[in-house]
Parts: sequence; C-alpha cells; structure tokens
Amino acid sequence: DAGVIQSPRHEVTEMGQEVTLRCKPISGHNSLFWYRQTMMRGLELLIYFNNNVPIDDSGMPEDRFSAKMPNASFSTLKIQPSEPRDSAVYFCASSSLGATETQYFGPGTRLLVL
Amino acid sequence: KNQVEQSPQSLIILEGKNCTLQCNYTVSPFSNLRWYKQDTGRGPVSLTIMTFSENTKSNGRYTATLDADTKQSSLHITASQLSDSASYICVAHAGNSGTYKYIFGTGTRLKVLA
Repeated sequence: DAGVIQSPRHEVTEMGQEVTLRCKPISGHNSLFWYRQTMMRGLELLIYFNNNVPIDDSGMPEDRFSAKMPNASFSTLKIQPSEPRDSAVYFCASSSLGATETQYFGPGTRLLVL
Repeated sequence: KNQVEQSPQSLIILEGKNCTLQCNYTVSPFSNLRWYKQDTGRGPVSLTIMTFSENTKSNGRYTATLDADTKQSSLHITASQLSDSASYICVAHAGNSGTYKYIFGTGTRLKVLA
C-alpha cells in the first residue's frame, strides 16, 4: 500500500488566496483526520471523519477553514482566505474505525502564506 | 481541563545508552494513551497505544508504561541508536461513545550522538 498520500507537499501562497490541501487515505480505512503542526502550538487535531461523515470539527480554528470528504478515498482541507498565521505543516492521517486503532500519517503539506 | 505535559523538553544521549521520557496527563474520561515518533520533516509514526487496563507495551526497543492511578506514562528506549533521534509525542485520547478528543503533549526532542 502506498500509505496516506497528500498533495501538494509544499505550497507557497499570498495572503488572501484560497488554499486547497488534498488527502487520499489508506484503502479500507474508515476514519480520516486532519492535523496542523506549528512550532508554537505543536500538533493539533482540526477535524476527523468516520465513514466520510465529519464527527468533530471543534478544532477548526475559524470559518475560513473547511473540510470535505466526498468519498472514502478523498478529502480536502480548504482555507479561504488564507492568512500568514495559517503557515504550518498540515497532516492527514487515516485509521480503521475504533478508538484504539493506529493512525497512519501522511507526509504532510508545508504551507507558507506570505 | 484536559492537558498533557511531557518532560524533558529535550534530551541528548550517547549511542547505546538507555533513556526514559515522561508524560503526565489529565484527561477525562480517559480512553487511551499513544506515543508517536516524529522524524524531522516527516509525519508522526505510532509507537504504542495503551488503554486503561494495560500498564506496559513494547515495540522493539521501545517500551511504554502506563499508570492510570497517577496518570503518568513513560517511554523507555533501550540501547539507543542514531536513528532514534526524533521528537516523541505523547497523546491522550479522551472520550467515549464514539466522540473523542485528542490532547497532545508538546513533545520531547531526543538527540542521540555517536
């Protein structure tokens, strides 16, 4: 299996632009997670889906952030409009359903908003 | 308030030596505790997951312990190798009935020297 696939790996954009991050989970996994990591705040869970349904989005920082999972093999995290403080590494992870299942992380998207 | 504290913040050891990383957590209701290893520039990789009823779990040279009474966990690395140089993140998983919260520690940065 190729593991969790994220694209793009790096993104540089200007403040105010829309940013879309993409994730393909491991085939057969039913849970998908979006995380953000910064030096200041460490790793934070933004939102997670079970069977394509958003379960908890309380970690999404603002209305500028939105996430979708139209099917079991694809999810997007969108930031519109982007701001410099959104600069971070965004990780996607997937797992089988269940509280004690191992999460497998993708390589991350490094976002820089100028 | 749910929180996870890790110590030390950073650690330098010589190759071949053992070390122990600490994690104190305050979460309710407790579901499980996870240790991740994160190499620089990569996504976290799961090392161990422990539930309330487990007090030790090993993954190769990594051994995690959990004391649910004192709400403490440790990660012991035996015979360290250069490849152990990474950040180690403790994550407490709180919740039940399908709704969960992930509370992250800020990590311990380990450097193993030759």
